[in-house]
Amino acid sequence: QKEVEQNSGPLSVPEGAIASLNCTYSDRGSQSFFWYRQYSGKSPELIMFIYSNGDKEDGRFTAQLNKASQYVSLLIRDSQPSDSATYLCAVRRGNTPLVFGKGTRLSVIA
Amino acid sequence: ETGVTQSPTHLIKTRGQQVTLRCSSQSGHNTVSWYQQALGQGPQFIFQYYREEENGRGNFPPRFSGLQFPNYSSELNVNALELDDSALYLCASSQGGAGVDTQYFGPGTRLTVL
Repeated sequence: QKEVEQNSGPLSVPEGAIASLNCTYSDRGSQSFFWYRQYSGKSPELIMFIYSNGDKEDGRFTAQLNKASQYVSLLIRDSQPSDSATYLCAVRRGNTPLVFGKGTRLSVIA
Repeated sequence: ETGVTQSPTHLIKTRGQQVTLRCSSQSGHNTVSWYQQALGQGPQFIFQYYREEENGRGNFPPRFSGLQFPNYSSELNVNALELDDSALYLCASSQGGAGVDTQYFGPGTRLTVL
């Protein structure tokens, strides 16, 4: 059973702080890793993807991947109240379907 | 905005009825995937269509079926609705083929089964 695990939260951070969201996965053959943001009542919105070990930065967001540890994380710098949402981690082997975690709820306190 | 559209936005049905949900993929995308997202859960893969053929299916019963049309739009049909079918149904489109195939979600259809 391929699994993706995320802490459900809520993770509360003050405005301007760094939010760190973590995800572990069970399938060692996973090749691509995605972070989606989902506001309440809305559909998931792609933030970024990563498929090589190391860091990938896009604006205030940094994805980090460690395949040896089967661990992927998302850092949000200078967190804003508008970042308050559920963050979904999804992994994939080749072009097989995305396997999602249950998501981590982030609350940024003004 | 991803360019993926879904209809209807909301739907209320009673147990035992049948429902059809529709999805139009983003321009240039030939692959459509359907997901079910129950409250408080991550999306669960139902099936995927690539160039009008089903090419992957998750752990859902046969009463969940689908179609993809020549313009790559897609339908999800659910027969004999059960209370547990109440969920947000998401359609995602992608380009398919080799490489990192990024999926973009439509706004979803909220189905309530009474």
